[in-house]
Amino acid sequence: GENVEQHPSTLSVQEGDSAVIKCTYSDSASNYFPWYKQELGKRPQLIIDIRSNVGEKKDQRIAVTLNKTAKHFSLHITETQPEDSAVYFCAASKAGNNRLSFGKGNQVVVIP
Amino acid sequence: KAGVTQTPRYLIKTRGQQVTLSCSPISGHRSVSWYQQTPGQGLQFLFEYFSETQRNKGNFPGRFSGRQFSNSRSEMNVSTLELGDSALYLCASSPTPRGDNEQFFGPGTRLTVL
Repeated sequence: GENVEQHPSTLSVQEGDSAVIKCTYSDSASNYFPWYKQELGKRPQLIIDIRSNVGEKKDQRIAVTLNKTAKHFSLHITETQPEDSAVYFCAASKAGNNRLSFGKGNQVVVIP
Repeated sequence: KAGVTQTPRYLIKTRGQQVTLSCSPISGHRSVSWYQQTPGQGLQFLFEYFSETQRNKGNFPGRFSGRQFSNSRSEMNVSTLELGDSALYLCASSPTPRGDNEQFFGPGTRLTVL
């Protein structure tokens, strides 16, 4: 099955700096790559996603890049704010089913 | 639209008992998936239902089962509970099982097995 790995496990950044989280996947048939943010005690919420026919997608301070050849994708958060502090999960799925394979998550801490 | 709801929110059981968790998807969503979240294993896929049919099953023992009703509501059942079943159980709904549309998560059911 699909194996998604996420690095680093914990990331501390100064407020205003950028944060980058990288994920790799193993199954070349995966074609959908969402990123979820989970605050303590809350449900995971989608913050951005990318499909395999696109190399980059941006939404305000958040962007995702995808390299299909290398089978990795990254989340970029610019101008970080304290409310960006959370656990971020990357995931991958294949066409035709909603089975998401998740990475283990990254704890992002934004230091004011 | 109301979001995904799950009941109960918290549950305490003892080893050997069984438990049933419920998930109501967003109105109009017909695909429901279930995930188990633990600190050690992270988020792991349990199963996916669409039109009352199980389409996918994760790598969990047969003690974990589920079903979906005609109104798209879904239940999962865990029989003969073990200590290791303590986890947050999340369901997620999506309009279709296409695999490239957003899945909306419910708040989860926190199961504690003593």
